[in-house]
Amino acid sequence: DAKTTQPTSMDCAEGRAANLPCNHSTISGNEYVYWYRQIHSQGPQYIIHGLKNNETNEMASLIITEDRKSSTLILPHATLRDTAVYYCIVRVAEGFQKLVFGTGTRLLVSP
Amino acid sequence: DAGITQSPRHKVTETGTPVTLRCHQTENHRYMYWYRQDPGHGLRLIHYSYGVKDTDKGEVSDGYSVSRSKTEDFLLTLESATSSQTSVYFCAISESGPLNEQFFGPGTRLTVL
Repeated sequence: DAKTTQPTSMDCAEGRAANLPCNHSTISGNEYVYWYRQIHSQGPQYIIHGLKNNETNEMASLIITEDRKSSTLILPHATLRDTAVYYCIVRVAEGFQKLVFGTGTRLLVSP
Repeated sequence: DAGITQSPRHKVTETGTPVTLRCHQTENHRYMYWYRQDPGHGLRLIHYSYGVKDTDKGEVSDGYSVSRSKTEDFLLTLESATSSQTSVYFCAISESGPLNEQFFGPGTRLTVL
């Protein structure tokens, strides 16, 4: 699985959009980009995933660059409850479903 | 939320004692996983199961064993607990198929004195 690079921490004001970047320059053609988050003391929570097209669900949007070497998770209207560690993971979707979590980005949403 | 429970939620034990953690799911998912989470290491896979009685090792399996006799239960056993196994343990489940989302349990905080 390709390696990902994320900023260690980010801040965001409540109500504003939070844009979390992820670099995955060695991504392969059959690897997906997944995002999970972990709110303090809880288990990780799936957010969204994509291959090459931009994706949106009720939680967030995922923007993947055309060359697929980077992506951005967008929380359109961050709330205090979005304060968490966000993990960007790159992996193939077939076969054994292992996830490799790095250290992620700690997002702090402030009033 | 996916139906995953872990027991116990907290446990304190002494070095050398055996410990068993239980993960129970009500989703009938095929895959089950045990991870541990330590500061500075993120989540690391200990063992996983791809069906009843079908298990395999993850990246940090030394000192741990697992068993899955029913679809809904996945047990993690520390045969002889050591202080280095003090950690938060998470169970996860996933269905077969291309989406491969994993759903995580609430975690078990284990302290080995």
